[in-house]
Amino acid sequence: DTGVSQDPRHKITKRGQNVTFRCDPISEHNRLYWYRQTLGQGPEFLTYFQNEAQLEKSRLLSDRFSAERPKGSFSTLEIQRTEQGDSAMYLCASSLTSLAAQETQYFGPGTRLLVL
Amino acid sequence: KNQVEQSPQSLIILEGKNCTLQCNYTVSPFSNLRWYKQDTGRGPVSLTIMTFSENTKSNGRYTATLDADTKQSSLHITASQLSDSASYICVVSLYSTLTFGKGTMLLVSP
Repeated sequence: DTGVSQDPRHKITKRGQNVTFRCDPISEHNRLYWYRQTLGQGPEFLTYFQNEAQLEKSRLLSDRFSAERPKGSFSTLEIQRTEQGDSAMYLCASSLTSLAAQETQYFGPGTRLLVL
Repeated sequence: KNQVEQSPQSLIILEGKNCTLQCNYTVSPFSNLRWYKQDTGRGPVSLTIMTFSENTKSNGRYTATLDADTKQSSLHITASQLSDSASYICVVSLYSTLTFGKGTMLLVSP
């Protein structure tokens, strides 16, 4: 399967614990995005990378959240001191930048986080 | 604030029937408008993508329309199938910044 993959698919943790999610984009895609989606809502942008550089971060990304893409390939999203409000689906997407307007982001299956 | 509003919030139709989902947006300017299908517990999958200069785009039984003057788009599903049951999300983008609607939850009933 050459699509975007995410690991784990599900995570249950206790409040206050740290969690880390991984995203493997489609190979050769230079952009990688993280989104958060709660029930009944559309995805909300968190941050994105172009190669290894983190170019934009949403105000939703508090200081408890950190994302990395050290070699410009896979990315990790870490949440420290988790809170119940962090419970959501975390989606990763990748794309290949293009001069044309029709850059398409391909989404992974998501990691569903439940903070107890 | 840039917004994307979708209606209806949810919809139930009988298998084989057609339906139309609506999307109103305030994002301006924008690069393109996409419709995504999201199955429960899965990531969104792109159905159609239109630039501001396109009026319609089809993908099998899915046809999207765009009126950039009124800032409205619609997604028409023809001859619905049980597998069409999903959330349909309208997304308006300006370069790499995407603004998502909340989606319309469609249930196709046998």
